[in-house]
Amino acid sequence: IAGITQAPTSQILAAGRRMTLRCTQDMRHNAMYWYRQDLGLGLRLIHYSNTAGTTGKGEVPDGYSVSRANTDDFPLTLASAVPSQTSVYFCASSPTQGPTDTQYFGPGTRLTVL
Amino acid sequence: GQQVMQIPQYQHVQEGEDFTTYCNSSTTLSNIQWYKQRPGGHPVFLIQLVKSGEVKKQKRLTFQFGEAKKNSSLHITATQTTDVGTYFCAGSVDTGRRALTFGSGTRLQVQP
Repeated sequence: IAGITQAPTSQILAAGRRMTLRCTQDMRHNAMYWYRQDLGLGLRLIHYSNTAGTTGKGEVPDGYSVSRANTDDFPLTLASAVPSQTSVYFCASSPTQGPTDTQYFGPGTRLTVL
Repeated sequence: GQQVMQIPQYQHVQEGEDFTTYCNSSTTLSNIQWYKQRPGGHPVFLIQLVKSGEVKKQKRLTFQFGEAKKNSSLHITATQTTDVGTYFCAGSVDTGRRALTFGSGTRLQVQP
């Protein structure tokens, strides 16, 4: 593994189903982030984690949950998917939570909720 | 809350023409970063500006940070087809959370 990996690459999901998007990084970065990207709205922060064991809410956290049991993994869970959660989801990491740190993005997960 | 706005949303140019995207914040920023996302790809870091009035260049790309640290611009001279993609600015303010706020992006299309 080099950098950040996300799984699955894409998924079609029935509304009401539970779904976990996986994110793993091998750079030993402390901070990790989940964004959703929708046309015309750019990247919006869902949740973040400044270090293992801590998480925080971003701009659009409703309907999503995260956990950070260790440094490498930062899964995003949709407890009961709704069509408005159709989007492209990007996981990112940075060495620290400092605002001047570069963020490194994973390849993304394209999620469609029907 | 903090807002970061980018204009234009979309720009179509002929190869060889110049291109500029503008980023404006409702609050003073501590720093601003620029990212490029190729079609079907993920955002990739280009550059960071920290000082008031700062100007940085990367080959044909020129980045500026405004004197008041509320706006920034990216200018591409003589565009090439390899410049196609969406350009995002991302800024942060000096708050406890210090998260980056991304602009909505400018999608650049270059006609060969």
